[in-house]
Amino acid sequence: DVVMTQSPLSLPVTPGEPASISCRSSQSLLHSSGYYYLDWYLQKPGQSPQLLIYLASNRASGVPDRFSGSGSGTDFTLTISRVEAEDAGVYYCMQTLQTRTFGQGTKVEIK
Amino acid sequence: QVQLQESGPGLVKPSETLSLTCTVSGGPITNYYWSWIRRPPGRGLEWIGYIIYRGRPNYNPSLRSRVTMSVDTSKNQFSLKLTSVTAADTAAYYCARLNRVATISGFDYHSMDIWGQGAPVTVSS
Repeated sequence: DVVMTQSPLSLPVTPGEPASISCRSSQSLLHSSGYYYLDWYLQKPGQSPQLLIYLASNRASGVPDRFSGSGSGTDFTLTISRVEAEDAGVYYCMQTLQTRTFGQGTKVEIK
Repeated sequence: QVQLQESGPGLVKPSETLSLTCTVSGGPITNYYWSWIRRPPGRGLEWIGYIIYRGRPNYNPSLRSRVTMSVDTSKNQFSLKLTSVTAADTAAYYCARLNRVATISGFDYHSMDIWGQGAPVTVSS
């Protein structure tokens, strides 16, 4: 099984400042297509999760460009260039190479 | 606009079977993959599995022995059954559509782009 490990688990952020979340997989997420099979989701308080990033670095439809995904091999990062109050919630990475596995989640709190 | 809505009992007794249905409105149920995900209280998301009409389902290995998913095209619904439940199965259960978001080098890539509101289920006697 592919194990996903996120850090930090809690992230207090100041509006207007950047923020980054790390996600590490127990094995490479490189698919034979040459792409990395990793998604990022955000669950805002009281809401269902929403797709932010797919294939490690592609923003989903309607996602603001302050969100970006990067990484390769087993190490991936979600970056918010300038945090806004509406970005509060729990962020999850999820590998899709072997069935699907979520990371533990990173709770982003706005100071 | 496609919308998903979970329904089913909010309380299930230990050792019994949890049954949930997800109704798809505003679009067809065929030709898409459909997922179930849950979030236990105070914990993170757990992927349960997915299914496509007339296709083989794919279940989380840790739940495979207890999970069954099915699709009913006449009602535009898909369902989840989880047998022999315990308190550890208490969670908010979400259904979601797995949509093709990219085609790369002949491979279709799917992500969960539409989610239901979630259905809380408590396992207790």
